Amino acid sequence: NAGVTQTPKFRILKIGQSMTLQCTQDMNHNYMYWYRQDPGMGLKLIYYSVGAGITDKGEVPNGYNVSRSTTEDFPLRLELAAPSQTSVYFCASSYFSGEDTQYFGPGTRLTVL
Amino acid sequence: KNQVEQSPQSLIILEGKNCTLQCNYTVSPFSNLRWYKQDTGRGPVSLTIMTFSENTKSNGRYTATLDADTKQSSLHITASQLSDSASYICVVSTGGGNKLTFGTGTQLKVEL
Repeated sequence: NAGVTQTPKFRILKIGQSMTLQCTQDMNHNYMYWYRQDPGMGLKLIYYSVGAGITDKGEVPNGYNVSRSTTEDFPLRLELAAPSQTSVYFCASSYFSGEDTQYFGPGTRLTVL
Repeated sequence: KNQVEQSPQSLIILEGKNCTLQCNYTVSPFSNLRWYKQDTGRGPVSLTIMTFSENTKSNGRYTATLDADTKQSSLHITASQLSDSASYICVVSTGGGNKLTFGTGTQLKVEL
């Protein structure tokens, strides 16, 4: 099993550009999450999904969108990138619920200039 | 407001020594407490997860304790190795578990 994979690993965007961060898991997990990690701060939940077709906002959803058309994939879309979105983004998944252990991907480091 | 505070912020120890990291939380309702290890440039990896009724859990050289009355947890690392150099993050889950409150981590460096 590859676990949770994320692409790209690094990306530089200009202000106002858009992009999609890809996340795929091969563990047949129902729950998937997107977090951002800013320097010196704890991870913050952006969006999560409890299954295909179901998504919900986390603590910091503004400026982001998600979709979950399959169990495996949970892409995160940034529209109109802003410098405040410069961060490291982690995708995670768990089988039963948030009570279960979450498995994290390697992260995407995004810089918006 | 739900908060998780960790101490110390950073720690340097010699290889082979033991250390203890602290976590205090003000999260309600409490569901479980987790410790993660995050190597530089990587995603967090789960070490332990404890529910309200558990007061200790081990994973190899890592032992976590939980005092739900005082809302404190500790992570004890025995016989440290160079590969233990990482950030250790305390995470508390509220009811339902989809809402986790993350601490900012303790940066541990193990030196020869």
